[in-house]
Amino acid sequence: DTEVTQTPKHLVMGMTNKKSLKCEQHMGHRAMYWYKQKAKKPPELMFVYSYEKLSINESVPSRFSPECPNSSLLNLHLHALQPEDSALYLCASSQPPGGVLEKLFFGSGTQLSVL
Amino acid sequence: GDSVTQMEGPVTLSEEAFLTINCTYTATGYPSLFWYVQYPGEGLQLLLKATKADDKGSNKGFEATYRKETTSFHLEKGSVQVSDSAVYFCALGHYNQGGKLIFGQGTELSVKP
Repeated sequence: DTEVTQTPKHLVMGMTNKKSLKCEQHMGHRAMYWYKQKAKKPPELMFVYSYEKLSINESVPSRFSPECPNSSLLNLHLHALQPEDSALYLCASSQPPGGVLEKLFFGSGTQLSVL
Repeated sequence: GDSVTQMEGPVTLSEEAFLTINCTYTATGYPSLFWYVQYPGEGLQLLLKATKADDKGSNKGFEATYRKETTSFHLEKGSVQVSDSAVYFCALGHYNQGGKLIFGQGTELSVKP
């Protein structure tokens, strides 16, 4: 199994809603990532978890709250989002970097629209 | 800080044409270099990588050589197919920066039959 599975594929939410994005992998990877991608732009790193601990937070607003319940799962909790947060949210996983940077396996993403 | 610059798109080619997508970088130390591809409606997939100077990454007919003297990692393919239509991202990363990748702006490729 070389897949990273993200649910839901599409999400529409209002600015007062609370929702969660989910990501799952069964490749035994111990590093997991959240990226945000606007249309026709490169992905922007949001968070990195390494061995289930948050290792990188790229100064992301607190309305985005990541969670890594175990080594296979990664969640992104959303609350009080703004319309400019509408984007494709990509999850990725890899072996934690050692002497060589390992490749990232990406999911297909959740297309989020904030109304 | 580190950065990656790619040629602007969109690039439109006829099937079987030769492809070059230019990528140059600015970085301290010795980064690893990557090409990722994103097909419509999908996430990114690693196309190829190189971890040190003069390494050549190759996959599915695509090649790129890590040129430290020119700080470049240009992507080439001898004969493109319609199925190669996608957005291509050049990226760099340092193993001691927790897996963080720095992406170029992306180059959209459209191959016509």
